Amino acid sequence: QVQLVQSGPEVKRPGASMKVSCKASGYTFTGYYMHWVRQAPGQGLEWMGWINPYSGATNYTQKYQGRVTMTRDTSISTAYLELSSLRSDDTAVYYCTREVYFHHWGQGTLVTVSS
Amino acid sequence: DIQMTQSPSSLSASVGDRVTITCQASQDITKYLNWYQQKPGKVPKVLIYDASNLETGVPSRFSGSGSGTDFTLTISSLQPEDIATYYCQQYDSVPLTFGGGTKVEIK
Repeated sequence: QVQLVQSGPEVKRPGASMKVSCKASGYTFTGYYMHWVRQAPGQGLEWMGWINPYSGATNYTQKYQGRVTMTRDTSISTAYLELSSLRSDDTAVYYCTREVYFHHWGQGTLVTVSS
Repeated sequence: DIQMTQSPSSLSASVGDRVTITCQASQDITKYLNWYQQKPGKVPKVLIYDASNLETGVPSRFSGSGSGTDFTLTISSLQPEDIATYYCQQYDSVPLTFGGGTKVEIK
């Protein structure tokens, strides 16, 4: 069965960078785009972008342009989300989710940005 | 960007009531809409995809309808386990966008 397993919670200082991983199993990793969605505490869902694991092509929402990088390592079926220059309002749960129809989600990774 | 306007933002209904949540897109998204259920501290779960297709394993009291710009999620008979926040999401074009959410409570 399809599984997306994310890395554990992180605490970061303002200005630092974060890197969250999403390990996929149960399907052909390169066959489906992977998306990243975040949810700040008590807030709604916000799409950040996608990566095509086959080609490495990415598409980021404009809000994060210049701060976000999505990568993948096909040898270990893992996608990564990096966000730099962290601010307190980047405190959120970060999810990976797979096309098609976004049936499958990782368990979420809480990143706390605090001085 | 396509704006998704979801209403109401919250509702309170009795067990057994019919509940309707609407989502309006700022432009035509044909059928490319998901409905999610999210319980506190849990991962969003797809209920409906392509506007009207029931996800496997989801109770039949949930249904979705609409196309173009206007969409509806209906719970035919509200159950205690349906207490959650519901979101719509368009995937017609990037950036993908979500509605603001509807918090459903039991009266």
